[in-house]
Amino acid sequence: DAGVIQSPRHEVTEMGQEVTLRCKPISGHNSLFWYRQTMMRGLELLIYFNNNVPIDDSGMPEDRFSAKMPNASFSTLKIQPSEPRDSAVYFCASSFTSTGSRETQYFGPGTRLLVL
Amino acid sequence: GESVGLHLPTLSVQEGDNSIINCAYSNSASDYFIWYKQESGKGPQFIIDIRSNMDKRQGQRVTVLLNKTVKHLSLQIAATQPGDSAVYFCAENRAAGNKLTFGGGTRVLVKP
Repeated sequence: DAGVIQSPRHEVTEMGQEVTLRCKPISGHNSLFWYRQTMMRGLELLIYFNNNVPIDDSGMPEDRFSAKMPNASFSTLKIQPSEPRDSAVYFCASSFTSTGSRETQYFGPGTRLLVL
Repeated sequence: GESVGLHLPTLSVQEGDNSIINCAYSNSASDYFIWYKQESGKGPQFIIDIRSNMDKRQGQRVTVLLNKTVKHLSLQIAATQPGDSAVYFCAENRAAGNKLTFGGGTRVLVKP
């Protein structure tokens, strides 16, 4: 079975450019999560969706970051304009969530972003 | 603030020995805990989970122990193998919502 799919796997861009990261969750999962991982801050939750609706975006650093989930099988995380401090590995994860349940999140391979 | 933390940043273990990775949490409302393994260049991989109504759960070569009295979680790996070398994260899921809060991670190095 295919796991969480992320693209691109690596992205190098210059400061000020727009960056779009993509994620396809596991089929049947209804929750999707975007994380950022850095050496300094570890794994941080940026935003998560349930049934395509953003539930909590309190982890989004600032207005330069935006995320969308137009349908159950696709999500994007956009950074515009990008800055060197955005350099990190960005992970997408998905899970199946029902009322009152706690379910495992499965992670994609990540996108390694370098902003010069 | 409330957080999930790890006591040891790096653990060196001889191949064949058992490994124990510890994790402290401070939110008594947390009711679900997960251990993840992250190898270099890869995303975190689910290892084992435990709910707050349990104090022990076993998987293949792994055991998770939960002590709610002292808010402590541990992962035991039996007969550690070179393929177990990775960074291990504990994560807690608090009662409200489905958000995971991750600890800082422990690097396990298996010596041949």
